[in-house]
Amino acid sequence: DAKTTQPTSMDCAEGRAANLPCNHSTISGNEYVYWYRQIHSQGPQYIIHGLKNNETNEMASLIITEDRKSSTLILPHATLRDTAVYYCIVRPPNSGYALNFGKGTSLLVTP
Amino acid sequence: GAVVSQHPSWVICKSGTSVKIECRSLDFQATTMFWYRQFPKQSLMLMATSNEGSKATYEQGVEKDKFLINHASLTLSTLTVTSAHPEDSSFYICSASPRPLREGTQYFGPGTRLTVL
Repeated sequence: DAKTTQPTSMDCAEGRAANLPCNHSTISGNEYVYWYRQIHSQGPQYIIHGLKNNETNEMASLIITEDRKSSTLILPHATLRDTAVYYCIVRPPNSGYALNFGKGTSLLVTP
Repeated sequence: GAVVSQHPSWVICKSGTSVKIECRSLDFQATTMFWYRQFPKQSLMLMATSNEGSKATYEQGVEKDKFLINHASLTLSTLTVTSAHPEDSSFYICSASPRPLREGTQYFGPGTRLTVL
């Protein structure tokens, strides 16, 4: 699987947009970008995924650059409950593949 | 949709005993289930991959005779920690991939906190 690089930590004020970057310069043509988050002492939660087009759902938006070497997860209006570790994972869509969790970005949303 | 449950949510046991953890996909069938382990302040580490009706595939360094995995149906996988020791204390998390495939998305259980005294 392609390796990803994320900042170790970020802060965001409540109500503002949180933009979490991820670099995946070695991504292959068949690999998707997945985002998960883990709130303290809970199992990871699926957020969003994409291949090359920008994606949006009720939780977040995913912006993938045209060359697919980086992406940004956007939480449009961060709340205190969005404080978590966010993981950017790149891998093929085959369900037989596990998710390789790196260190992720620890996002702290402050009042 | 896509809910995965785990039972128990936490367990405390004495050293030398065995502990069984259940992972269920509640509203979908899972072609594959995965078991992860997470130590404090560390990321999730894959322990094993299980497919319904076949033997689990263990990651390097994970003892298959100590961590028994049974994937008896498309909605249930169990992890049994045999002869548990204090170093097995950890947060155990399962995940499942739905069938039909949803572009490889996996859904995670809430985790089981195991403490071995």
